[in-house]
Amino acid sequence: SSEVTQDPAVSVALGQTVSITCQGDSLRSHYASWYQQKPGQAPVLVINGKNNRPSGIPDRFSGSNSGNTASLTITGAQAEDEADYYCNSRDSSGNHWVFGGGTQLTVL
Amino acid sequence: QVQLQQWGAGLLKPSETLSLTCAVYGGSFSGYYWSWIRQSPMKGLEWIGEINQSGSTNYNPSLKSRVTMSVDTSKKQFSLKLTSVTAADTAVYYCARWTIISTAFDVWGQGTMVTVSS
Repeated sequence: SSEVTQDPAVSVALGQTVSITCQGDSLRSHYASWYQQKPGQAPVLVINGKNNRPSGIPDRFSGSNSGNTASLTITGAQAEDEADYYCNSRDSSGNHWVFGGGTQLTVL
Repeated sequence: QVQLQQWGAGLLKPSETLSLTCAVYGGSFSGYYWSWIRQSPMKGLEWIGEINQSGSTNYNPSLKSRVTMSVDTSKKQFSLKLTSVTAADTAVYYCARWTIISTAFDVWGQGTMVTVSS
């Protein structure tokens, strides 16, 4: 089992705001990054470990951290945001990387 | 724009060795960590390990006994070998770049589907 956990599925109405969370003890001391993956494609970085968006990622995507939880928020979700989202951070040893199980986002 | 191009055998028999290579185009090879990550329906995304330009490696403890990574800095390539494969190693394998600047995997290869079947 992963050391960081995500809800398997989340839905949001078009244009509304949704947060996808990632929980784990390692998040108290290590940053999380977030990846979007659409069917048949490689993951794409949407929020880096400093909670910044890479060039080309819409500003409706943002990241935050609180305690043992990292969050990816999409403000004004669009149809093209429907995808799987994965968080990534260090494991409890701090020496290796782990991914969350992924959250399938449905835009209604 | 940095691109990662990967290749390797897509069909293996149990007990064989998986071998993949990833080439870096359009950017520097130095100053980054180069990872292999795989994805299967059963295990989701799983980090396999990383290597830097000096050849320093760091492997997932669950795979460490079977994994070897290497680099060829002259060709800006890095490689993965996974020995004694089983059906559980069937997955899409990705190469990816990790950068301390963004503290994230900011560039990914296109993925290679590897199937282990007798």
